[in-house]
Amino acid sequence: GEDVEQSLFLSVREGDSSVINCTYTDSSSTYLYWYKQEPGAGLQLLTYIFSNMDMKQDQRLTVLLNKKDKHLSLRIADTQTGDSAIYFCAEIPPRGYNQGGKLIFGQGTELSVKP
Amino acid sequence: DTEVTQTPKHLVMGMTNKKSLKCEQHMGHRAMYWYKQKAKKPPELMFVYSYEKLSINESVPSRFSPECPNSSLLNLHLHALQPEDSALYLCASSQEFGAANYGYTFGSGTRLTVV
Repeated sequence: GEDVEQSLFLSVREGDSSVINCTYTDSSSTYLYWYKQEPGAGLQLLTYIFSNMDMKQDQRLTVLLNKKDKHLSLRIADTQTGDSAIYFCAEIPPRGYNQGGKLIFGQGTELSVKP
Repeated sequence: DTEVTQTPKHLVMGMTNKKSLKCEQHMGHRAMYWYKQKAKKPPELMFVYSYEKLSINESVPSRFSPECPNSSLLNLHLHALQPEDSALYLCASSQEFGAANYGYTFGSGTRLTVV
């Protein structure tokens, strides 16, 4: 995960919005992803964004992409206790590039939602 | 069927044992992966199979031996493991290696404890 960086912890109150940030270094990546991992579980693909998009909205989730600054964010509206999990941003650099074809993860942000 | 199924969910083994982890998908995906994940860390890629052939081995010790009997199945054979090999082992699949548009689909993992 040395090419994708995230803050490690975020704590919010139930009902507030959560914003999880990620910076990546490989501007050639075509798609960027957000995965959710609940305690003791595998990884669930939450959403993804194509690099020619600035924003993608899916129900309570909004993904913003600033390609110039290589910054990706995930906003969760009306955060619930069930949203408590670790959130990983990830990218797949194109074949032929360093780490090409591999899903590269950030360190993960642990979201804690307090009632 | 849009799932990756891993068995067993939990495994405890001694350092002299031989055991196998199994992974199955019926999505027609031609790339399958093994990852190792320590608690609250991102998954680390171990092996990539593409069209049933081993494509990438990330310098994994030989006590881990992968096998892809057919396009739907992926095994990980374990022998003479060390306590530090205790981790969550995740299997994943994708349409093709490097196919970025849908990301990877992950199984729920096998929680391995080496005693």
